[in-house]
Amino acid sequence: VLTQSPDFQSVTPKEKVTITCRASQNIDTYLHWYQLKPDQSPKLLIKYASQSFSGVPSRFSGSGSGTDFALTINGLEAEDAATYYCHQTRGLQGAFGQGTKVEVK
Amino acid sequence: QVQLVESGGGLVKPGGSLRLSCAASGFSFNDYYMTWIRQSPGKEVEWVSNISPGGGVMNHADSVKGRFTISRDNAKNSLYLEMNSLRVEDTALYHCARQWLPSGPLEYWGQGTLVTVSS
Repeated sequence: VLTQSPDFQSVTPKEKVTITCRASQNIDTYLHWYQLKPDQSPKLLIKYASQSFSGVPSRFSGSGSGTDFALTINGLEAEDAATYYCHQTRGLQGAFGQGTKVEVK
Repeated sequence: QVQLVESGGGLVKPGGSLRLSCAASGFSFNDYYMTWIRQSPGKEVEWVSNISPGGGVMNHADSVKGRFTISRDNAKNSLYLEMNSLRVEDTALYHCARQWLPSGPLEYWGQGTLVTVSS
């Protein structure tokens, strides 16, 4: 089970955003982060906890291992308004967090 | 560029059936695991099924086991999801996605096709 925090965050542009994801058991670094927006294809941001995916802006970064992970957006931009999900692939059946909706004020 | 385009969604009554398709382009389809994921109206995201590059290994979530079947046709660069005995709780936006390994990230996703199960 993956538990994200917070469920919702309203942030001013240029602010720093941190979303956390806690796993109920050790998943090493089999943890990935996605950005979902309505009417768009979901996008992979971070793979294996801290590796940036190709083409992702450098303001997105990931950290953690074991059971505690974080996604950080350094300098939020208006286009970052979205729901963010963590996803673990340590088990045979991957599981997702419940999502964190980020609103840009 | 990598493109994944889902189709086949629609409105169906409980107990009914649907077949979803995913057309892939821009990459060597038969080199990759392919996965179905769904997003419910309440925004919960759930892994549904995956299939190995050759099609010989398939896995399904417990919530759909025995009702859904994943398959692929590498000659047509296409992925499928046969859905039977549909339930109201299967209502969701269904996405296909590409994976290099089953333990790896979902690198590219399609935009999704909406399945609504309602009487």
